[in-house]
Amino acid sequence: DTGVSQNPRHKITKRGQNVTFRCDPISEHNRLYWYRQTLGQGPEFLTYFQNEAQLEKSRLLSDRFSAERPKGSFSTLEIQRTEQGDSAMYLCASSLTGNEQYFGPGTRLTVT
Amino acid sequence: GESVGLHLPTLSVQEGDNSIINCAYSNSASDYFIWYKQESGKGPQFIIDIRSNMDKRQGQRVTVLLNKTVKHLSLQIAATQPGDSAVYFCAEKSMGDDKIIFGKGTRLHILP
Repeated sequence: DTGVSQNPRHKITKRGQNVTFRCDPISEHNRLYWYRQTLGQGPEFLTYFQNEAQLEKSRLLSDRFSAERPKGSFSTLEIQRTEQGDSAMYLCASSLTGNEQYFGPGTRLTVT
Repeated sequence: GESVGLHLPTLSVQEGDNSIINCAYSNSASDYFIWYKQESGKGPQFIIDIRSNMDKRQGQRVTVLLNKTVKHLSLQIAATQPGDSAVYFCAEKSMGDDKIIFGKGTRLHILP
């Protein structure tokens, strides 16, 4: 499968714990995006990388959130001190041109 | 119609009929528009896109229409099949901006 992959697919954690998600983009895509989707809503942009550089961050991305793409390939999204409001689907997308963005299956986070 | 909170607008269509899903976008500066299909538990799947210098684009069984005057986008699905059941999102993007802004989704329900 040469699409975008994300791990884990599901994560249940207790409030206050840290979690880390991984995204592997389509191999030749230099652009990588993180979005968050809550129930019944469309995805909302969180942050964007071009190669290893993080070029844009949404105001939704509080200081408890950090994303990296150290070698310009896979990316990680870490949430520290999770809160119940962090419960959502975290989606990763990749793109070659910046226009057509292809999404992974997402990581569903549940904070109890 | 508009969705409020967690309530998605729903469109019910008889199998074999054509479906038309409508969307109003907000940003006059947007110059690239995309329709995504999202099945339960999956990430959004790219269906078709259109640039602002066009008013119609056709794909396999799908057609996107763009009316920039009234900032309206529509997706037409011909001969709707059970596999078309999903939530459909319109999305917009402006030149020089890398994030996609998603609209409110519409749940397409296929009647047997």
